Amino acid sequence: DAGVIQSPRHEVTEMGQEVTLRCKPISGHDYLFWYRQTMMRGLELLIYFNNNVPIDDSGMPEDRFSAKMPNASFSTLKIQPSEPRDSAVYFCASSAGGYQETQYFGPGTRLLVL
Amino acid sequence: GENVEQHPSTLSVQEGDSAVIKCTYSDSASNYFPWYKQELGKRPQLIIDIRSNVGEKKDQRIAVTLNKTAKHFSLHITETQPEDSAVYFCAASPGGSEKLVFGKGTKLTVNP
Repeated sequence: DAGVIQSPRHEVTEMGQEVTLRCKPISGHDYLFWYRQTMMRGLELLIYFNNNVPIDDSGMPEDRFSAKMPNASFSTLKIQPSEPRDSAVYFCASSAGGYQETQYFGPGTRLLVL
Repeated sequence: GENVEQHPSTLSVQEGDSAVIKCTYSDSASNYFPWYKQELGKRPQLIIDIRSNVGEKKDQRIAVTLNKTAKHFSLHITETQPEDSAVYFCAASPGGSEKLVFGKGTKLTVNP
């Protein structure tokens, strides 16, 4: 199994630009989670999906952030427009069953907004 | 909502010593408590978890204890080795939810 796949692994962009992060969950997993990790705020849940449907987006910081899951094998997290304070490592994770099940993290996307 | 506090933020031990990391949570309905290890520049990976119907769980040199009355749980690593050096995160799953709320992490350094 290839595990959770994320792309790109690194992204450097300028303030105001649109950023799109991509995630492919483990095949057969029906839950997908997006997290943001910073030194100040730690590991924060942004949004999660079950069977491609968003369940809880209460962690999405503001309207500049949006996430979609058009099918069971692909999800995107978009930031438009990006700001320097969005600089962080963004992780995608997936699990089979969700409740009390292990979440498997992808390698992360390190985003730097200049 | 759930709030998870983790202590200490940094911990330095000598190889062979034990290390203990403690977490408290606020939501009494939380019932699943995993621990993740994150090496520098890598992804978090589950090392052990415990559910609310169990008070203690052990896996080789790693053990986790849970006190639901006091709403705290702890990670114990015995006979530490340099490869145990990493950041450790505790988490709690609010009752009936698939979400995880993470603590801020503990940077463990094992000195040879």
